[in-house]
Amino acid sequence: QVQLQESGPGLVKPSQTLSLTCTVSSGSLITDTYYWSWVRQPAGKGLEWIGRIYTSGSTNYNPSLKSRVTISVDTSKNQFFLNLKSVSAADTAVYYCAREAFQRFGELDVWGQGTTVTVSS
Amino acid sequence: DIQMNQSPSSLSASVGDTVTITCRASLSLSSHLHWYQQKPGKAPKLLIYAASSLESGVPSRFSGSGYATDFTLTIRSLQPEDFATYFCQQSYSYPRTFGQGTKLEIK
Repeated sequence: QVQLQESGPGLVKPSQTLSLTCTVSSGSLITDTYYWSWVRQPAGKGLEWIGRIYTSGSTNYNPSLKSRVTISVDTSKNQFFLNLKSVSAADTAVYYCAREAFQRFGELDVWGQGTTVTVSS
Repeated sequence: DIQMNQSPSSLSASVGDTVTITCRASLSLSSHLHWYQQKPGKAPKLLIYAASSLESGVPSRFSGSGYATDFTLTIRSLQPEDFATYFCQQSYSYPRTFGQGTKLEIK
């Protein structure tokens, strides 16, 4: 069963760029069956979809974040990435990477354990 | 954006009870509606996809129904491990959106 693992700094200063990595293991990121997604969740709140990427590099972003977010992929390392620039305290959250089964009904069927990012000086 | 209105926001029940959680979408989703369970400090876990399909490994006491704008998640014979927060999510259009969650607590 494929596994996802997020990694990156737990603390980011305001106005800087948040950068996270999702490593795919026990399976290949190169597939025509799945998209690779990022979702976040502020403490005690609901889930917010950030965006997704296909192995070709094709992306879709949440319009609420589109001006600040970039998702990219490195198939040679079996990793995909999230960059969120100009962060503020409102970006403090647990960030999850997840796999979207777009050739079924687009459900998020595999999730990483999540990584907490705090934006603070 | 498609708005997902999930209710109730919280629910108290006892072991052995049957509970129902509803999710209403602001636009028709066809069957592109999914249900997740989340326990404290853990990632969400897929329970039901395509409104009514049970994800592999999920107990059969979980079931989903609905189409278009109105969907339900039913949990029969609640077990202690079922007390958690449940979210619906649509994948019909972008951006993907989630319901606000239903916290299921032990009575």
